[in-house]
Amino acid sequence: EAQVTQNPRYLITVTGKKLTVTCSQNMNHEYMSWYRQDPGLGLRQIYYSMNVEVTDKGDVPEGYKVSRKEKRNFPLILESPSPNQTSLYFCASSYGLAGGLGEQFFGPGTRLTVL
Amino acid sequence: GNSVTQMEGPVTLSEEAFLTINCTYTATGYPSLFWYVQYPGEGLQLLLKATKADDKGSNKGFEATYRKETTSFHLEKGSVQVSDSAVYFCALWRGPGTGFQKLVFGTGTRLLVSP
Repeated sequence: EAQVTQNPRYLITVTGKKLTVTCSQNMNHEYMSWYRQDPGLGLRQIYYSMNVEVTDKGDVPEGYKVSRKEKRNFPLILESPSPNQTSLYFCASSYGLAGGLGEQFFGPGTRLTVL
Repeated sequence: GNSVTQMEGPVTLSEEAFLTINCTYTATGYPSLFWYVQYPGEGLQLLLKATKADDKGSNKGFEATYRKETTSFHLEKGSVQVSDSAVYFCALWRGPGTGFQKLVFGTGTRLLVSP
């Protein structure tokens, strides 16, 4: 089954404790992206990747890191989480600029709470 | 810049009522337009799309027509069901060949359908 998986689905942590949210897709997609969803603000892009070893900042990259060492994986790293990073996070993938970037496949989401 | 504006929600309807969710956009050139739906507790999924002016996208009884003259892509359904209760996001992508590497989302409109 074609899918994007994220782990964990729920996470409660404390300020300053490094964490990683994993994202994996099995569709051989070139493009992957992280979003955060907050009430009244919709989806905001954090980082995206056009292909392996190619990443770039989205609209709200502060406080986050990403890496793309393999095509299927795109982990989101919070080196020192703060309460303002409490949010619902989504990973997404698509075929890329050749024509499929608008049709993105989303993971189920990770609800993060930073105390 | 490139942006999408959606009507504020929630939109509250009774079952079998007619639905319209307004969406207008600002973009350079001829973007592709999308509607995504997010059911409770899930990630977003593509509902329908249109890639050029006057195209009509349709799926699951929902329709939207790409109107370049009014820069709009309003979502409609003739008879909503309780199971249509969700958050609906309008989005645009500037398309292949533009080098534009992101999907721009509106803030979402929550639809609540009562029996």
